[in-house]
Amino acid sequence: DIQMTQSPSTLSASVGDRVTITCRASQSINNWLAWYQQKPGKAPKLLIFKASSLESGVPSRFSGGGSGTEFTLTISSLQPDDFATYYCQQYHIYRTFGQGTKVEIK
Amino acid sequence: QVHLQESGPGLVKPSGTLSLTCAVSGGSISTGDWWSWVRQPPGKGLEWIGEVYHSGSTNYNPSLRSRLTISVDRSINQFSLKLNFVTAADTAVYYCARITYNSGSWKFDSWGQGTLVTVSS
Repeated sequence: DIQMTQSPSTLSASVGDRVTITCRASQSINNWLAWYQQKPGKAPKLLIFKASSLESGVPSRFSGGGSGTEFTLTISSLQPDDFATYYCQQYHIYRTFGQGTKVEIK
Repeated sequence: QVHLQESGPGLVKPSGTLSLTCAVSGGSISTGDWWSWVRQPPGKGLEWIGEVYHSGSTNYNPSLRSRLTISVDRSINQFSLKLNFVTAADTAVYYCARITYNSGSWKFDSWGQGTLVTVSS
């Protein structure tokens, strides 16, 4: 099984901050990685697919990078609507989610 | 835009069978997409359960495979989940989702709102 490890588990930040979340895979997944945003009581929302491709309608302040086993999600300037939990997901072999990173108000 | 809606009992007894259905509207289930189930225990992260193609082909999470059946009914545009021998650890919000191929990649692009299933006597 491919394990996905996100860091940090919680991130405290202010509006306007640049924030980066890291996701590591236990083996190479090429660039078969997605990022999702989830708010309380809501379904996940796709932000990034194929490691760095922005889903249609997602603000350009979100960007993804990396390949192989190490990946990042960056929010260039944090907005009030961005306080949420973020998950990475590999889809190289089956699907596995990371444990999540909660972005909270500092 | 495709819409997905989960339905099923909100309470299941331990050792019983959890059964859920996902109704797909705004598009046909008989396309090149896969149809998936994901769950989230209260206060915890997401877990992929498995997925089905309109032909009936399936992929299952190895940790759940022995208890799991996911099927599709093309005639009524829906797919289903059955999980046997449930315990309290199976208490979760269950989501159905579409996995579509677009822009050179598979992606979970549409989700149901989720339904809470509690395992308790």
